[in-house]
Amino acid sequence: EAQVTQNPRYLITVTGKKLTVTCSQNMNHEYMSWYRQDPGLGLRQIYYSMNVEVTDKGDVPEGYKVSRKEKRNFPLILESPSPNQTSLYFCASSPLARSTQYFGPGTRLTVL
Amino acid sequence: QQPVQSPQAVILREGEDAVINCSSSKALYSVHWYRQKHGEAPVFLMILLKGGEQKGHEKISASFNEKKQQSSLYLTASQLSYSGTYFCGTAGGSQGNLIFGKGTKLSVKP
Repeated sequence: EAQVTQNPRYLITVTGKKLTVTCSQNMNHEYMSWYRQDPGLGLRQIYYSMNVEVTDKGDVPEGYKVSRKEKRNFPLILESPSPNQTSLYFCASSPLARSTQYFGPGTRLTVL
Repeated sequence: QQPVQSPQAVILREGEDAVINCSSSKALYSVHWYRQKHGEAPVFLMILLKGGEQKGHEKISASFNEKKQQSSLYLTASQLSYSGTYFCGTAGGSQGNLIFGKGTKLSVKP
C-alpha cells in the first residue's frame, strides 16, 4: 500500500531533550516536506527536500534540522526542544514539488 | 507569502452551497485544494494548473483565475461529510514550493 508513515504518533518530552521524528514513504517520491499545524495558523512549512541530499528551509525552520540521505526517509530533528515547539507535525511527499502531496498521519508533540 | 483564505469559518445546513476563496500576492503556477477532517491528515481534493481552469468532482468544483491570482472552491448541495477544514496551497512556479493558507473551517449541520 502506498503510504507515508511517521513515528512516533504521539510524544511527550521535556525541554532540551533531543528527539527525532521519522518519516518514510514507499512511493519513490522526489519531494518531501515537513509541516507544523497550530490552531488558527494553518499548515506552516518547516523544511522541504527536492531530492536526496537537497534540503531547504521553509517558513518556520528555527529550532529544527532535517536530513535526506535516502530517497524514502526524511527525519525531523529537534536538537533542543522548547515548549513553543509543541504542535501537530505532518510529513508529506509528492512526485514533484507542485504535485499532489500525500500526508503522513501526523505526530502530536508536547514539550513540557 | 502565505495565501489568504476567506472566510475563516462557515456554517451550513445540509443542502446549502458554499464558496471558499484563496488569493495570493504572488503570481501563481498552480493551486491545490485539500480537506482535513478533525484529527486526521489533510487529503487531496484537486489541483488547478492553468489560468481560468475549472475542475470538479461530484458536487465540489474549483476555479483558478491566473490574472487575479485567485482560486475559489465551490461546494454545492453540501452534505454532512463535507465538514472539515479546507486548505488551499499555492505554488509560484513550475518547480515552486507549495505554501498553504490558514484554512477555512466548514461545518455542515443536519
